[in-house]
Amino acid sequence: GAGVSQSPSNKVTEKGKDVELRCDPISGHTALYWYRQSLGQGLEFLIYFQGNSAPDKSGLPSDRFSAERTGGSVSTLTIQRTQQEDSAVYLCASSLDRYYYEQYFGPGTRLTVT
Amino acid sequence: AQSVTQPDIHITVSEGASLELRCNYSYGATPYLFWYVQSPGQGLQLLLKYFSGDTLVQGIKGFEAEFKRSQSSFNLRKPSVHWSDAAEYFCAVVGSGNTGKLIFGQGTTLQVKP
Repeated sequence: GAGVSQSPSNKVTEKGKDVELRCDPISGHTALYWYRQSLGQGLEFLIYFQGNSAPDKSGLPSDRFSAERTGGSVSTLTIQRTQQEDSAVYLCASSLDRYYYEQYFGPGTRLTVT
Repeated sequence: AQSVTQPDIHITVSEGASLELRCNYSYGATPYLFWYVQSPGQGLQLLLKYFSGDTLVQGIKGFEAEFKRSQSSFNLRKPSVHWSDAAEYFCAVVGSGNTGKLIFGQGTTLQVKP
């Protein structure tokens, strides 16, 4: 079946602009995660959604980062007023639920801030 | 706080040789452990997982890993490496907080010599 998809695959933006990254999880998966992969910080958790529950935003690095999940499916990660340190690969993963633990990852969005 | 350490940043092995990638974790309770592989430009693919039971777990692509509680380790092994195994390997543990979020090690890059 279809895996996790992310768009765009690459995004180049100017410093100070806003960007939106999209994630389509596997159908039926109620848990959705965003991670960031950067050279200096490795792979780090950003935010978690489970069904209609309040998200766990504990990994968001600043208030310029926000995310939403509409209808319990598609998620959008928004970065406002991008900075050069936001350049990274943003990975989305989904899981049947938070207790299932086995997460399936999308191919990622490579964000470059110039 | 939970943490994962992969002591080897880069490993080079000859094709056909055996492989062991090291992973040490810090976690108070019984950990849920994973190994993921990432090929260039790709997302993360799950190789294997340990939740409980038999401490030697088998995964895809001929990989296995052994959980050793006394050493807080979860090392990945393969008896005979193929050139296609060249990639980056990540060890991960489920973090606390009942969200299922993953805490990753810094990764080990595997290079395979012909």
